[in-house]
Amino acid sequence: EIVLTQSPATLSLSPGERATLSCRASQSVSSYLAWYQQKPGQAPRLLIYDASNRATGIPARFSGSGSGTDFTLTISSLEPEDFAVYYCQQRSNWPNTFGQGTKLEIK
Amino acid sequence: EVQLLESGGGLVQPGGSLRLSCAASGFTFSSYAMSWVRQAPGKGLEWVSAISGSGGSTYYADSVKGRFTISRDNSKNTLYLQMNSLRAEDTAVYYCAKQQSDFWSGYYFGGAFDIWGQGTMVTVSS
Repeated sequence: EIVLTQSPATLSLSPGERATLSCRASQSVSSYLAWYQQKPGQAPRLLIYDASNRATGIPARFSGSGSGTDFTLTISSLEPEDFAVYYCQQRSNWPNTFGQGTKLEIK
Repeated sequence: EVQLLESGGGLVQPGGSLRLSCAASGFTFSSYAMSWVRQAPGKGLEWVSAISGSGGSTYYADSVKGRFTISRDNSKNTLYLQMNSLRAEDTAVYYCAKQQSDFWSGYYFGGAFDIWGQGTMVTVSS
């Protein structure tokens, strides 16, 4: 099973700042990595698929990069609605696996 | 509008069974792989099972293999998860999720989970 490790566990920033979230895989997942946002009491929402492609309706301030084992989700300028938990997920091998999440909180 | 609506959750005793349903609308259901993903209270996301568009191929997490069965009725646009021999550690919100394509057409292994239901809570407790 491929293990995804996200860092940091918690990120404290202010609106307007840039956020950089990391996801590292225990072995190469090529570009088969996605990022999801989850707010309290809500289902996850797809942000980025195949490492760098924004999903439909996702604002341009969200971007993804990386391949192989190291991936980054960047939010260029934080809006109040961006404070949430973010998960990465790989589908390179069965089983699909998720990272443990990064909580982005308001500083 | 593309929509997924889960039902069937509830309280069940350890060792019991439950069947979850996920009603899909707004897209050609049979053309897409579907998955179940769960989230224990206060915890992260865990993929549980996936099924191809035709229903002919299924995959399971080791934690549920042999106890859970995923299936679909494309004539009813509905996805199912039959859960047997339930354990306390199965307690979670269960989400159904649509994938971006079928397993072998379009995106590799069906792509990411682009549409999610609102979830249904399953509690396993005596």
